[in-house]
Amino acid sequence: QKEVEQDPGPLSVPEGAIVSLNCTYSNSAFQYFMWYRQYSRKGPELLMYTYSSGNKEDGRFTAQVDKSSKYISLFIRDSQPSDSATYLCAMGPRMDSNYQLIWGAGTKLIIKP
Amino acid sequence: KAGVTQTPRYLIKTRGQQVTLSCSPISGHRSVSWYQQTPGQGLQFLFEYFSETQRNKGNFPGRFSGRQFSNSRSEMNVSTLELGDSALYLCASSPDGNNSPLHFGNGTRLTVT
Repeated sequence: QKEVEQDPGPLSVPEGAIVSLNCTYSNSAFQYFMWYRQYSRKGPELLMYTYSSGNKEDGRFTAQVDKSSKYISLFIRDSQPSDSATYLCAMGPRMDSNYQLIWGAGTKLIIKP
Repeated sequence: KAGVTQTPRYLIKTRGQQVTLSCSPISGHRSVSWYQQTPGQGLQFLFEYFSETQRNKGNFPGRFSGRQFSNSRSEMNVSTLELGDSALYLCASSPDGNNSPLHFGNGTRLTVT
């Protein structure tokens, strides 16, 4: 079993819908959670990060961490065709150790105009 | 500010050959990390260089090696290529590699035939 599980999709939704992307994990030591977006033929770019539990909002994006369930989510409101990309979750035990991050395989998201 | 630059973008090699990939980090960034990305797998950490020294290493065989130059540019070498080495190789830079987010290049797509 992988330490981080992420549904590969593709997830196809109409423009304007609310999108929910999720990752589950097994290591209770994980405290630092990130979401990256990767467009086709591009490298990943950081969208949001959270430390420990709770919610964090940035514009149309909300990251949520439920440590009791070992489950993290990324919500996208008012989805746009430009949001079509692969979304990667990454997590680790500490903020000061990027090399220890464990990455999900990514969920491909398609927003239909 | 220019982003992380990786060259070449695409490579096709034959089993048994060796290959060298290049990465130029964002100006001022001293940490360079390398990752392997394959379909269905999360990013796999190869190694991190900081100030010309390998600071962290992932769980890859010794055929994978790297180095960093005094201007922070980095190269990754894979010797005796195997079919399973076909992947997207991503380079990421950060100011110090720890408490700062990773900035990725667009990767080198390596195909081994």
